[in-house]
Amino acid sequence: NSKVIQTPRYLVKGQGQKAKMRCIPEKGHPVVFWYQQNKNNEFKFLINFQNQEVLQQIDMTEKRFSAECPSNSPCSLEIQSSEAGDSALYLCASSLAGNERLFFGHGTKLSVL
Amino acid sequence: GDKVKQSPSALSLQEGTNSALRCNFSIAATTVQWFLQNPRGSLMNLFYLVPGTKENGRLKSAFDSKESYSTLHIRDAQLEDSGTYFCAAEARSNYNVLYFGSGTKLTVEP
Repeated sequence: NSKVIQTPRYLVKGQGQKAKMRCIPEKGHPVVFWYQQNKNNEFKFLINFQNQEVLQQIDMTEKRFSAECPSNSPCSLEIQSSEAGDSALYLCASSLAGNERLFFGHGTKLSVL
Repeated sequence: GDKVKQSPSALSLQEGTNSALRCNFSIAATTVQWFLQNPRGSLMNLFYLVPGTKENGRLKSAFDSKESYSTLHIRDAQLEDSGTYFCAAEARSNYNVLYFGSGTKLTVEP
């Protein structure tokens, strides 16, 4: 069973509102990923970190999305101004290295009304 | 086009029977992972593969990087095997990022 903890489990926001979700990676895992899974089961990579440093991120992440993994605090993903198309399951995962086995949390299901 | 094509999209099995899922890659895949997602959304990692084969209980998975495909075999299917299975590949062109298949929804019936 995964030891990646994501909160909250569900998040409901109005359009234009901020949406913030958190992730505690598995202990000892320095690499953290965020993926978005839409209702059609399409997964989209958003961003990944090694410790506190961003390794890679997509263009979408650079504009309305912000993420961080501060030391000694949960990682977070925040959408500055939510849009209906952001409604999805946001999955956090961690691993020992970027190309190693990935362990996912339960996800945060975001609904933007 | 799809970088990872997964088939079938849905599958119904009787308890105790066997089946196989497949993913074909149009990318130069270096590693493959298989996951099972339950109805609540939790993704469980089943296998991490470099080219070759691994077995875990009733599950067996293979990854052939030269022929660009991976398979997941389920033997003696049980009710608890129900869920959506995803394969995901890491590409030589973009290390650390996984490209997911579209999933196989498996229903095991008594």
